[in-house]
Amino acid sequence: DSGVTQTPKHLITATGQRVTLRCSPRSGDLSVYWYQQSLDQGLQFLIQYYNGEERAKGNILERFSAQQFPDLHSELNLSSLELGDSALYFCASSVAGGYNEQFFGPGTRLTVL
Amino acid sequence: KNEVEQSPQNLTAQEGEFITINCSYSVGISALHWLQQHPGGGIVSLFMLSSGKKKHGRLIATINIQEKHSSLHITASHPRDSAVYICAVGGSQGNLIFGKGTKLSVKP
Repeated sequence: DSGVTQTPKHLITATGQRVTLRCSPRSGDLSVYWYQQSLDQGLQFLIQYYNGEERAKGNILERFSAQQFPDLHSELNLSSLELGDSALYFCASSVAGGYNEQFFGPGTRLTVL
Repeated sequence: KNEVEQSPQNLTAQEGEFITINCSYSVGISALHWLQQHPGGGIVSLFMLSSGKKKHGRLIATINIQEKHSSLHITASHPRDSAVYICAVGGSQGNLIFGKGTKLSVKP
């Protein structure tokens, strides 16, 4: 158990809908990263937050947004969902930004029908 | 060309064999990570290293910064080692850039 929690574990929804994925980092970790794992693209970095502020952006679509709250949990919002958004979404946390070991949550499996 | 290349893509071994997975990268890094992804999907961090060699149980990771190459070795492999092993390098923002993974299957 990494100490990082993600909810829900599975999510099945329809095209055009909006969903919210939630991540709670390990106690004491200030940095949260979101990653997407799809069959064709593999693991890709989406976005990073550090102590409530956006720190870095990767291949995140405009339909996706995220935030980190004062209690350091983070939410990833996916809207106008398309079939291609079906993937495993992981969050990871680390003590600080920069080059630290990252601890991964169990992931949320999103299926868009 | 991908920034992080792993080989082989797939690997089948007999229990007890010594296994090597290779990773080459083309970007400047300060740390390289080896991750294990179980069949159920969970990802576990095995090693983070920036130079030399690290050992944890039957797992050994090495890195050669000059050659931009890292290897993950598994000694005395066991069926429970069956998983996908992923090499990742730390990007400029601290985010990870991943290889495509090596799927290892260890037969009893």
